[in-house]
Amino acid sequence: TQLLEQSPQFLSIQEGENLTVYCNSSSVFSSLQWYRQEPGEGPVLLVTVVTGGEVKKLKRLTFQFGDARKDSSLHITAAQPGDTGLYLCAGVPNYGGSQGNLIFGKGTKLSVKP
Amino acid sequence: DSGVTQTPKHLITATGQRVTLRCSPRSGDLSVYWYQQSLDQGLQFLIQYYNGEERAKGNILERFSAQQFPDLHSELNLSSLELGDSALYFCASSVEGWDTEAFFGQGTRLTVV
Repeated sequence: TQLLEQSPQFLSIQEGENLTVYCNSSSVFSSLQWYRQEPGEGPVLLVTVVTGGEVKKLKRLTFQFGDARKDSSLHITAAQPGDTGLYLCAGVPNYGGSQGNLIFGKGTKLSVKP
Repeated sequence: DSGVTQTPKHLITATGQRVTLRCSPRSGDLSVYWYQQSLDQGLQFLIQYYNGEERAKGNILERFSAQQFPDLHSELNLSSLELGDSALYFCASSVEGWDTEAFFGQGTRLTVV
């Protein structure tokens, strides 16, 4: 069973559209991170959210951490072809106070067509 | 450029063979992590080293082993290779643990034929 479920798995949209990617779990996480990975490259960290309910903005990207720290979302406004890539959420599970290691969702493959 | 260097970038080898993947962390980073990425499983945590000592183990097979040397570079050894071991292997480094930002290398693409 995947601890972090990402949806959708694939998303193909036109330039200028808005989109939201979800990352859900039944477990509580000490923090959640979002990465973007391009083909042939390693994941690049976009943001880390730590506090339940936290919202962080990075230009056209808005990240939100759920109040219960079990889920997160990434919203992209006015998507551009340069946003194309694999978006991964990752979290450090909180096992009753002790931390686990960083685990990843399977990712959302985004394609933005001009 | 993340500052994390992995070699080689590509590796093709036969079943039953043994290979060594190398990772040089960013200057000043004490933690090194190894991940395996396959199409169906996504990124799977294998093992973490901190300042030369093993700190955490994930889904690492007994045929795989790793170490971190005094100069903090790390090697991942994969032996008795099987077709299913074909994957991208990533190394990441951070100053300390996962509460500090981690940087990933470009990966080694291993193909077992």
